[in-house]
Amino acid sequence: EAGVAQSPRYKIIEKRQSVAFWCNPISGHATLYWYQQILGQGPKLLIQFQNNGVVDDSQLPKDRFSAERLKGVDSTLKIQPAKLEDSAVYLCASSPGTSGGEGQYFGPGTRLLVL
Amino acid sequence: AQRVTQPEKLLSVFKGAPVELKCNYSYSGSPELFWYVQYSRQRLQLLLRHISRESIKGFTADLNKGETSFHLKKPFAQEEDSAMYYCAPDRNNAGNMLTFGGGTRLMVKP
Repeated sequence: EAGVAQSPRYKIIEKRQSVAFWCNPISGHATLYWYQQILGQGPKLLIQFQNNGVVDDSQLPKDRFSAERLKGVDSTLKIQPAKLEDSAVYLCASSPGTSGGEGQYFGPGTRLLVL
Repeated sequence: AQRVTQPEKLLSVFKGAPVELKCNYSYSGSPELFWYVQYSRQRLQLLLRHISRESIKGFTADLNKGETSFHLKKPFAQEEDSAMYYCAPDRNNAGNMLTFGGGTRLMVKP
């Protein structure tokens, strides 16, 4: 089966600009996650969708970050305006059911550099 | 506060030596526990989960509720085990609210 797809793979922007990331989960996977991974740290969950509803967005900086999952399939994560501290790898993951006990399947990530 | 700690950023061993990657967690209740691995130029992937009690690629993980630890072990390390390893307790025991540790880089020297 095809894995989780993400684009772009790399993005360089200046602070205060906006940026958007796209994720296409594995076909049929109900749950989709966005993580932020800062260099030298483990991934931090930003938002979790179950189908097209938000399950958890408690760690999403809502003043600048937004995410949507229209039709319960693809998802986009947006940052507006970007700050220097947003430089990180943004990982998308999906899992088959409403729980992740089967494991979460990760995409290759989008590496963002904010100058 | 819920926390997970992997005290070693880097662990270097020789091929054939035993390996133990440490993970300590601070959680209320009894979280489900996972280990994820990222090999060079590959995606982050599930290595094993506590509930399955299985051994994957020779790795096992022992849950010690008294010490709140979930250390990953392998009796004889192989060069292909070199990777980043992340411990990830689950906040709601369903596997879908993971908190990742900072990771340990394992280097297995020939």
